[in-house]
Amino acid sequence: IVLAQTPLSLSVTPGQPASISCKSSQGLLHSDGKTYLYWYLQKSGQPPQLLINEVSNRFSGVPDRFSGSGSGTDFTLKISRVEAADVGVYFCMQTLLLPYTFGQGTKLEI
Amino acid sequence: QVQLVESGGGVVQPGRSLRLSCAASGFTFSHFAIHWVRQAPGKGLEWVSVISYDGNNKYYIDSVKGRFVKGRFTISRDNSKNTLYLQVDSLKPEDTAVYYCAKDREPLGIGYGMDVWGQGTTVTVSS
Repeated sequence: IVLAQTPLSLSVTPGQPASISCKSSQGLLHSDGKTYLYWYLQKSGQPPQLLINEVSNRFSGVPDRFSGSGSGTDFTLKISRVEAADVGVYFCMQTLLLPYTFGQGTKLEI
Repeated sequence: QVQLVESGGGVVQPGRSLRLSCAASGFTFSHFAIHWVRQAPGKGLEWVSVISYDGNNKYYIDSVKGRFVKGRFTISRDNSKNTLYLQVDSLKPEDTAVYYCAKDREPLGIGYGMDVWGQGTTVTVSS
């Protein structure tokens, strides 16, 4: 499964919203009713950190300015009000089918 | 706290081998699948392999697994030592990357996202 993220880079003024798209080459809905699409943020020099699991569930400790949405093959990560701490590279990932795959990444700058 | 610490990386010549380790603490290691994910310099993330909580199921990206012969990478775990391993053989320059181990989110399952990551260990393959 190929995941295509757009845009590949994004420059946002603090306090403004940001949106990242992730399009899958095939649907990510499993027969169990879950959609296996995840979002990660990798800050400079750090490992990735989980933001969103199964399309729209914020992981523990993730601020509520982050939200995920979508279905089928089209998914979106939104940041309602960007802060300086949000700078880094955002990746979507699917775990519906092996091999698990990541999008190319979207670099968010302030 | 929940922690994963990788070790074993280094600079090696093409064709040589390394064994990467990932030491876990702060959670019941034997209940969770663990993944290896790598990141080439300046590039994105590439999932490499996963092993189930009990070690009975192992999966690999195509570029490292063998079809009729043993693959170049072998994942294993020792639940008595809370440690994950990745044996990497016949290394190629394109294997140069930071290798992260990462814990699956759901106990006893595979493929529910990775919620804890180590800091990574660097493998450089160069003559």
